[in-house]
Amino acid sequence: GAGVSQSPSNKVTEKGKDVELRCDPISGHTALYWYRQSLGQGLEFLIYFQGNSAPDKSGLPSDRFSAERTGGSVSTLTIQRTQQEDSAVYLCASSLVFGDPNYGYTFGSGTRLTVV
Amino acid sequence: AQKITQTQPGMFVQEKEAVTLDCTYDTSDQSYGLFWYKQPSSGEMIFLIYQGSYDEQNATEGRYSLNFQKARKSANLVISASQLGDSAMYFCAVRSGNTPLVFGKGTRLSVIA
Repeated sequence: GAGVSQSPSNKVTEKGKDVELRCDPISGHTALYWYRQSLGQGLEFLIYFQGNSAPDKSGLPSDRFSAERTGGSVSTLTIQRTQQEDSAVYLCASSLVFGDPNYGYTFGSGTRLTVV
Repeated sequence: AQKITQTQPGMFVQEKEAVTLDCTYDTSDQSYGLFWYKQPSSGEMIFLIYQGSYDEQNATEGRYSLNFQKARKSANLVISASQLGDSAMYFCAVRSGNTPLVFGKGTRLSVIA
């Protein structure tokens, strides 16, 4: 597509429920990134994909968080047994190439997650 | 590991004036890229400007310029002729070859009429 698409744009869920956040990157972008932004804070890196592979999962806050990417395209971030501290905006970004510092990212509009 | 420091939590500027947003970075890599993003209240992250570590000239994009001082590890953003629509959060970020973008905590800019 023309840009990075994220869905849903807003999600309110009850504590303890599982949620899935979806990211559809720009067509042809091999690298995909997930960040989390808590209210009034900067961006916290969660995980990245090169193709379908996630070489480093150390940024995920806990084992309740997982992510996958299929077909080198769409990615899903899953949060199990949500907690109130998971409330944040989850931003997805993609870039044409991962290992080149000259390439920046294109971000989606984010998913605002509220756990009540 | 990379690190970005933005020491100004908030800044005010009069409309039509210029403003400088500070950014210092820390990286052990010789090849890296520096980026500035704007985040309006609507939440999207908008790419503004990029500076490569080997670029000898400061980057410019319209009213945005990047004051790159490599020895000081400084990459300040200069916005000239501020407009009301420039009011937003501004994030500085750095990346090198095999690491994702690392962001600072941001500076909230408010443009006053």
